[in-house]
Amino acid sequence: SQQGEEDPQALSIQEGENATMNCSYKTSINNLQWYRQNSGRGLVHLILIRSNEREKHSGRLRVTLDTSKKSSSLLITASRAADTASYFCANSGNTPLVFGKGTRLSVIA
Amino acid sequence: DAGITQSPRHKVTETGTPVTLRCHQTENHRYMYWYRQDPGHGLRLIHYSYGVKDTDKGEVSDGYSVSRSKTEDFLLTLESATSSQTSVYFCAISETNLGELFFGEGSRLTVL
Repeated sequence: SQQGEEDPQALSIQEGENATMNCSYKTSINNLQWYRQNSGRGLVHLILIRSNEREKHSGRLRVTLDTSKKSSSLLITASRAADTASYFCANSGNTPLVFGKGTRLSVIA
Repeated sequence: DAGITQSPRHKVTETGTPVTLRCHQTENHRYMYWYRQDPGHGLRLIHYSYGVKDTDKGEVSDGYSVSRSKTEDFLLTLESATSSQTSVYFCAISETNLGELFFGEGSRLTVL
């Protein structure tokens, strides 16, 4: 399987704290994407980082990419209860997007 | 929100019966995908399409077939459903083969 892995599998934090999720992948990539999934809903795209980029920001999200280590991280700053969801990384190489197994984030108010 | 509709949203069926899930888009995107989501496995690609009548297999294609006779519709068929195919099925679309995916709301299938 080319499926990547997110770490940790589950994360519980207090509102206002930062949340960091990590992702490892197995193949060379064109880009890496992060998605969010609220319970019972479809996935929603958050951010895309290309293989020649090292860091990208979007609002309270910060994504880093280290192609030498085949890893990426997603940082959510000043978390809110509404950030409670599962977060998935997906890598894009020569095949359709391959998703990891996700990190379940719980933000406690 | 991207115009993607999956039907049915919920279905309960018996082992051995055929099942067809439909994905309909109004975005005129070229690429369409079927994923299944299971606890402990995340999302896994079943089949995808890169144009009308152009389809290819994904990681977990055994027991599934697809058809795309027009741009807006992508059908996933389980010829003879098995209990291992109990899952939540997601359709997704994209404009390019490496770009952002837009997902439907999912179809929950239970095979008894």
